[in-house]
Amino acid sequence: QTVVTQEPSLAVSPGGTVTLTCGLSSGSVSTSHYPSWYQQAPGQAPRALMYNTNTRSSGVSDRFSGSILGNEAALTITGAHPDDESDYYCVLYVGSGISVFGGGTKLTVL
Amino acid sequence: QVLLHESAPGLVKPSETLSLTCTVSGASISNTNYYWGWVRQSPGKGLEWIGTVYYNGNTYYNPSLKSQVTLSVDTSNNQFSLKVNSVTAADTAVYYCARHHFHSLFDPWGQGTLVIVSS
Repeated sequence: QTVVTQEPSLAVSPGGTVTLTCGLSSGSVSTSHYPSWYQQAPGQAPRALMYNTNTRSSGVSDRFSGSILGNEAALTITGAHPDDESDYYCVLYVGSGISVFGGGTKLTVL
Repeated sequence: QVLLHESAPGLVKPSETLSLTCTVSGASISNTNYYWGWVRQSPGKGLEWIGTVYYNGNTYYNPSLKSQVTLSVDTSNNQFSLKVNSVTAADTAVYYCARHHFHSLFDPWGQGTLVIVSS
């Protein structure tokens, strides 16, 4: 069973920069896992932020960027705003038509 | 604008079959560029991919749920559906449908529908 790992929680100061990561229990994340990222505010449906590692979804601020950092996919938020406070999920494609969500990161802006 | 809307009974009894439908507007479910997926979120928990279906009926399932779920597509009504068999309290969740750019992006999403399994 493939497990996708994310930090359970992170905090960032307003105006600061934070990097969320997305790893694989069974090895390294690469672009072949087509990492995608989603933001979910409380009580709301997820909103797509990033796909294919580093392509921003339509309408997403350029304060959000995606990359591969070492063995993990990463989502970096620069110039954090209070309304960036949300849960963030990554998804990896692990082959054979199977996608796996990470456990999510609760981001606090304080 | 592509919109997805889930419909489901709000309450299902344990051991029964849960049926959900996602109606797509603003796009054809037969578009060969896209797949269509289901994701659920148990109360206070994270997102879980359930499965994805293509317009021709090809299906892909979460291995941990494969024995319990069935996906299908109805191109004539621009809908796709999810059936969850023998539900238990563990199947209580908000169920989302989404367009799935295969291997990658889930976008857009429906607003989600809460299904409670209880006697």
